[in-house]
Amino acid sequence: GAGVSQSPRYKVAKRGQDVALRCDPISGHVSLFWYQQALGQGPEFLTYFQNEAQLDKSGLPSDRFFAERPEGSVSTLKIQRTQQEDSAVYLCASSPTFNSPLHFGNGTRLTVT
Amino acid sequence: AQSVTQPDIHITVSEGASLELRCNYSYGATPYLFWYVQSPGQGLQLLLKYFSGDTLVQGIKGFEAEFKRSQSSFNLRKPSVHWSDAAEYFCAADEQGAQKLVFGQGTRLTINP
Repeated sequence: GAGVSQSPRYKVAKRGQDVALRCDPISGHVSLFWYQQALGQGPEFLTYFQNEAQLDKSGLPSDRFFAERPEGSVSTLKIQRTQQEDSAVYLCASSPTFNSPLHFGNGTRLTVT
Repeated sequence: AQSVTQPDIHITVSEGASLELRCNYSYGATPYLFWYVQSPGQGLQLLLKYFSGDTLVQGIKGFEAEFKRSQSSFNLRKPSVHWSDAAEYFCAADEQGAQKLVFGQGTRLTINP
C-alpha cells in the first residue's frame, strides 16, 4: 500500500521567504510526527499530532515554525521568514496508534539561500 | 540530559564480513530502543526494536541487536554484510514508547567489494 508521502521533495527558498511542506500520512494513521534532520546529523523531534490535536510542539525551534493538521489527516509544516539555519531535511512520520513504531516519509530537503 | 551516542561516524567493512555498530544511551531508566536504516534520499526504515524481555532482538534483513543494561548499550550486528547494506544507520531511544525518538548522530556504513 501507499506509504507516507511528502511534497515537495526539494525546496529552495530565498532567505526571508515563507515555505509550506506537506505530509500525507498513511490512511487511518492516528499519530503524525515531524522531525528535522540537519546535514550529517540524526533527526530531531519537532512536533506531534494525535488526530487533529497538536499534543507536543516542544521541538519547534522558534515561533517562525508552525504545524497544523486540521482534519486529522494531511499535515503542513510552515516556516516563516526562512533563515539559512533552517536548511535541513524535514521528515514526516505516522503510526496507526499511539506507541506503534513510526513509518517515515522520504522527506523534503529545504535549502535556504 | 537524555542522549543517544553512536561513537563511530563511518565504518568500512568488506562484503561477507561481520558487522557491529555501537550505540550507547544515557537515560534514567531503560528506554525503548530502536535501530533504523536510511539509504540516500530515502526515509528511515525500522530494522528492529527493544521494549523488554529477551535481550537479543532479531530484525529484518538479517540484523540483530543485543541490549546490555550494565553497559547502557544496544549494539547492532550482522554476521555477513552484503553490498546492499551500505547506508546510514541510526540508533534511537524513547523513554515512554515508540515515537518521540531521540536519535544518535548516525553511522555511515561503506561496503568494500
